Amino acid sequence: GESVGLHLPTLSVQEGDNSIINCAYSNSASDYFIWYKQESGKGPQFIIDIRSNMDKRQGQRVTVLLNKTVKHLSLQIAATQPGDSAVYFCAESGGGADGLTFGKGTHLIIQP
Amino acid sequence: DAGITQSPRHKVTETGTPVTLRCHQTENHRYMYWYRQDPGHGLRLIHYSYGVKDTDKGEVSDGYSVSRSKTEDFLLTLESATSSQTSVYFCAISDLRMNTEAFFGQGTRLTVV
Repeated sequence: GESVGLHLPTLSVQEGDNSIINCAYSNSASDYFIWYKQESGKGPQFIIDIRSNMDKRQGQRVTVLLNKTVKHLSLQIAATQPGDSAVYFCAESGGGADGLTFGKGTHLIIQP
Repeated sequence: DAGITQSPRHKVTETGTPVTLRCHQTENHRYMYWYRQDPGHGLRLIHYSYGVKDTDKGEVSDGYSVSRSKTEDFLLTLESATSSQTSVYFCAISDLRMNTEAFFGQGTRLTVV
């Protein structure tokens, strides 16, 4: 993701299609990664996480892929539903910093 | 929302006035965080706490102070609010220092006029 708000990257998909949201992280020493979903007017909600010793992890309708070589993280959402419309943030942890360091988010829009 | 309550949910204040935002948790998590969310910047860490009376600065701590006198409460204070502090503020909690998910509150929308 690049920016939130006016400059927020937007991904528009048809209902029922698969969505792929990408994120480039900054700290090569980070060893834990997480995806959050944020609906309008709410706080971020945990979707799925992955540790650096893995390259793929699956949840219910979601899959996270980690490519440490190019510092890239992706979130795949299968059979996208209207309720998936939200802003999605990736975050990283470890590497000496406390708390989570967030990317700037991607706005996912579901077309009927 | 994992037993996290932020108050107030909305506030409008004037430049130069002090403002305190409160975060209350019922999860007994050790770590608590204050983030701000702005267009173009995403979520940025202001301050965090790793225990009662133990706090540290985050990425954007200037103009803010925090206090944690009890495990369940984490206060964020703007000593003299400025327009650049207009933002949405989120409190988060976690049970580990890093490499774990954080649970977020619903946010406080602060407008400084």
